[in-house]
Amino acid sequence: GAGVSQSPSNKVTEKGKDVELRCDPISGHTALYWYRQSLGQGLEFLIYFQGNSAPDKSGLPSDRFSAERTGGSVSTLTIQRTQQEDSAVYLCASGLGQGPPWETQYFGPGTRLLVL
Amino acid sequence: AQKITQTQPGMFVQEKEAVTLDCTYDTSDQSYGLFWYKQPSSGEMIFLIYQGSYDEQNATEGRYSLNFQKARKSANLVISASQLGDSAMYFCAMREGLLGNEKLTFGTGTRLTIIP
Repeated sequence: GAGVSQSPSNKVTEKGKDVELRCDPISGHTALYWYRQSLGQGLEFLIYFQGNSAPDKSGLPSDRFSAERTGGSVSTLTIQRTQQEDSAVYLCASGLGQGPPWETQYFGPGTRLLVL
Repeated sequence: AQKITQTQPGMFVQEKEAVTLDCTYDTSDQSYGLFWYKQPSSGEMIFLIYQGSYDEQNATEGRYSLNFQKARKSANLVISASQLGDSAMYFCAMREGLLGNEKLTFGTGTRLTIIP
């Protein structure tokens, strides 16, 4: 079956611009996660959705970052007024939503963001 | 303190040999899950294997097995009969069973290179 998909696969933007990153989870998965992978920080958790609500936003690095999920499916991560330190690979994952610790998260291919 | 420690930044292994990738973890929770992911150069995070803290048997999935030593807090990945396609970054991750804690915490990874 189809896995997690993300778009765009690559995004180059200028400092100060806003960007939107999209994630389509595996069909039927109620849990959705965003992570960021950068050279300096490794893999960091950003935000978690269960259905359309986000019980854990603790990883969002600043108020320039926001995310939403509609219809319990597609999610959009928005970065406003991008900075060069936002350059990273943004990974989305989804899961069945059965709760920790046995929940396996399945990742998409990521969006590579470069802020010039 | 690091929650997940992978002490081998890089490893070179001859094709067809077995390889062990080290992972130690730190948690005070009794309920947790340990995961291994593979990240090829294409960037996608591929789920390999899972071990729950209450599982008495070591997890196995094909050529992958997880050597779980709870008292030592280690969860090493063993790949038997390595293949050229195993060359990739490997990440160990943990999910702690705290109520409401949904995030994976990752180690810094080990880059495995299989030599023909």
